Amino acid sequence: NAGVMQNPRHLVRRRGQEARLRCSPMKGHSHVYWYRQLPEEGLKFMVYLQKENIIDESGMPKERFSAEFPKEGPSILRIQQVVRGDSAAYFCASSRYIRTTNEKLFFGSGTQLSVL
Amino acid sequence: DAKTTQPTSMDCAEGRAANLPCNHSTISGNEYVYWYRQIHSQGPQYIIHGLKNNETNEMASLIITEDRKSSTLILPHATLRDTAVYYCIVRVFETSGSRLTFGEGTQLTVNP
Repeated sequence: NAGVMQNPRHLVRRRGQEARLRCSPMKGHSHVYWYRQLPEEGLKFMVYLQKENIIDESGMPKERFSAEFPKEGPSILRIQQVVRGDSAAYFCASSRYIRTTNEKLFFGSGTQLSVL
Repeated sequence: DAKTTQPTSMDCAEGRAANLPCNHSTISGNEYVYWYRQIHSQGPQYIIHGLKNNETNEMASLIITEDRKSSTLILPHATLRDTAVYYCIVRVFETSGSRLTFGEGTQLTVNP
């Protein structure tokens, strides 16, 4: 059973370009969470999605950032017109369902975004 | 989620037990205590979780006090590869999601 898969592992973009980060949850998991970790800082929640629905995007910056989790395919975190401050590690996690506090989140290895 | 308090850093000798404390004095009855760790630049790794009883798995043991206001994560025989930031998280079910809120954690350094 493969774990949470994120790609690319490293992504380099110039200022103003778009960044697309992909996350394939574990098999059987239909809930995806995105976290961001700025250099020398802790993990900050960004967004929580179920298939075709955004459930909680309270941690997402209001502009340039969007996320989706289509019926088919991976979840995508999209950053438009990247700036140097977007340079960070972006982690995706997945879980089976939420109707319990006894549910574990499993994390991927992350995508390191570097903006030149 | 209930707030947790952990020491900023701890050291442990290789082969000895590492005992990482966590205070969660405002925990309520339906909240679980979770422990994750993050080895440098990797994704957080689940270690263990519990509600009120002590728990043990292949990685660690979790000791929760009877009043549930604090807990201790025990790595019985620490190795150099256990050097990481360890996060204690108290988690409640939310109708809008079941996310984890990470604090600052404890930087555990295992020394040879």
